[in-house]
Amino acid sequence: DAKTTQPTSMDCAEGRAANLPCNHSTISGNEYVYWYRQIHSQGPQYIIHGLKNNETNEMASLIITEDRKSSTLILPHATLRDTAVYYCIGDSGGGADGLTFGKGTHLIIQP
Amino acid sequence: AAGVIQSPRHLIKEKRETATLKCYPIPRHDTVYWYQQGPGQDPQFLISFYEKMQSDKGSIPDRFSAQQFSDYHSELNMSSLELGDSALYFCASSSLNEKLFFGSGTQLSVL
Repeated sequence: DAKTTQPTSMDCAEGRAANLPCNHSTISGNEYVYWYRQIHSQGPQYIIHGLKNNETNEMASLIITEDRKSSTLILPHATLRDTAVYYCIGDSGGGADGLTFGKGTHLIIQP
Repeated sequence: AAGVIQSPRHLIKEKRETATLKCYPIPRHDTVYWYQQGPGQDPQFLISFYEKMQSDKGSIPDRFSAQQFSDYHSELNMSSLELGDSALYFCASSSLNEKLFFGSGTQLSVL
């Protein structure tokens, strides 16, 4: 699995867009970028994933640079319930291999 | 929609005792994963099963064992418990190659 690097923590005002960066310069061609989040002591929750193209779903948007060495998760209108630890994970998505959670970003949404 | 069900929610054991954690995956999911999350730590992958066969192995101690049964539920067996085994244990399930859905976890306290 690719090594990823994320800021330890970030603040964002409620109602604003939260942009969470992730560096994954060693990601290989067949590895997807996955984002999960964990709200305090709950099970991690899948957010979104992508390979090369930008992706959007009901929760977030994922912007992947053309060289695939970094990406940004965008929560368009952050709410207090978005306060959580956000994990960026590089994984081939094949088989039943476990995802490797690194040090995520603690996002704090301020009222 | 049905989610991943873990039991028990909380478990208190003494040192050197044994514990069994159970996980019931989402219907029609054939893959189960176990994670351990110590206080203030990130989730650590322990082991996974696909179609009742062990698929991937992470940092699972030799004192721990797990299996997946014919109905796809899984059990994590922990023996000779140590204080350091106190943690949240998450189970996740997926269809092969798809995103993971996590349960609410079992909080194990070893006294």
